Amino acid sequence: GIQVEQSPPDLILQEGANSTLRCNFSDSVNNLQWFHQNPWGQLINLFYIPSGTKQNGRLSATTVATERYSLLYISSSQTTDSGVYFCAVAYNQGGKLIFGQGTELSVKP
Amino acid sequence: GAGVSQTPSNKVTEKGKYVELRCDPISGHTALYWYRQSLGQGPEFLIYFQGTGAADDSGLPNDRFFAVRPEGSVSTLKIQRTERGDSAVYLCASRRGGGQGDTQYFGPGTRLTVL
Repeated sequence: GIQVEQSPPDLILQEGANSTLRCNFSDSVNNLQWFHQNPWGQLINLFYIPSGTKQNGRLSATTVATERYSLLYISSSQTTDSGVYFCAVAYNQGGKLIFGQGTELSVKP
Repeated sequence: GAGVSQTPSNKVTEKGKYVELRCDPISGHTALYWYRQSLGQGPEFLIYFQGTGAADDSGLPNDRFFAVRPEGSVSTLKIQRTERGDSAVYLCASRRGGGQGDTQYFGPGTRLTVL
């Protein structure tokens, strides 16, 4: 089955710093989502981005489907950005999501 | 409702007991998914419903696990003869479907602890 690898596994930032999280996947996909899992365990949708670039405030994401990777950019990080960031992919648009292992982000004040 | 809801939020049971976990999807969403998340891991797929029928149940670990969605809305995940290894957070997600959206939206999860 498809493999999803996220890097780095852990990241510690000072408030105000920028960061880039990477997601590599081993096969062609038609669905890719980025999530933020907050300390209470809730998975919050960040982006639905099977290809192209999107921006939402301080966050942006780019997926290069032909090269099988996606990047999540966080600018001017805040302590509330702390948590685990997951990338998840699916072969087809309605199918099951396959998650990576996540990147645990800690933003220090 | 405004989002996916799951009940109970926490469930503690003893090994060998039967449990039911409930998921209420976002109103109008035709697709519903169950996932399981163990500590330190990403969620893993269990089963996917399109309407009332299970379109993909390839993630159910064994025949102790069963899920239903009799009216195409609320779904119940049922676990028989629970084992300590079943302890995890069980997540439900829904999607609009029908070619109108592919984003899956997740509920807050049910934390199951099997003693």
